[in-house]
Amino acid sequence: GAVVSQHPSRVICKSGTSVKIECRSLDFQATTMFWYRQFPKQSLMLMATSNEGSKATYEQGVEKDKFLINHASLTLSTLTVTSAHPEDSSFYICSAKEGGRWETQYFGPGTRLLVL
Amino acid sequence: AQSVTQLGSHVSVSEGALVLLRCNYSSSVPPYLFWYVQYPNQGLQLLLKYTSAATLVKGINGFEAEFKKSETSFHLTKPSAHMSDAAEYFCAVSDPDSGGSNYKLTFGKGTLLTVNP
Repeated sequence: GAVVSQHPSRVICKSGTSVKIECRSLDFQATTMFWYRQFPKQSLMLMATSNEGSKATYEQGVEKDKFLINHASLTLSTLTVTSAHPEDSSFYICSAKEGGRWETQYFGPGTRLLVL
Repeated sequence: AQSVTQLGSHVSVSEGALVLLRCNYSSSVPPYLFWYVQYPNQGLQLLLKYTSAATLVKGINGFEAEFKKSETSFHLTKPSAHMSDAAEYFCAVSDPDSGGSNYKLTFGKGTLLTVNP
């Protein structure tokens, strides 16, 4: 089946530093990838949608300059949290949609970010 | 705009008992509906999906869900709960016409299922 990986699974960083999270589709080409944020005991909130080779589309209230998304290939998207602060601490989950199979998103295992 | 309501943030059942997790949606067009399961500190795994074919959908791990348009519901059931079913369950709706071809998902707030021995 379709597998999506994320790296790292957990990261701790100091306030003010930047953190990059990778999302890879391992056995399919992902024309579209999504980035979600999940606070403890809450649902997933869509942050942005990225299509390979084009700029990401951000949801209302999500800062583009804060959360940089790059989808340079059909198997890799990256989310960079710039100048991270403690309030950015969260669980970040990516998902990928296989080209041609539009209705199903396959989710990565998530990345736990803790900003001290 | 589409939305999802999951009634009951926490459901507790005994092992072997029926599992019923409720999901109601609102959508201006016939929706596509999904149930996902999330184990602690993990991503989401697709349990099943409804995409306008058969209204009774069977998924993995013995789960099934029935799309009822008149009730705008898509409740998740399993006849007999196992300890391994303990997890967070999310209902999601996707409007086929939303966002062009991106088909964004809107999630419910989730229901935590605990299974008692």
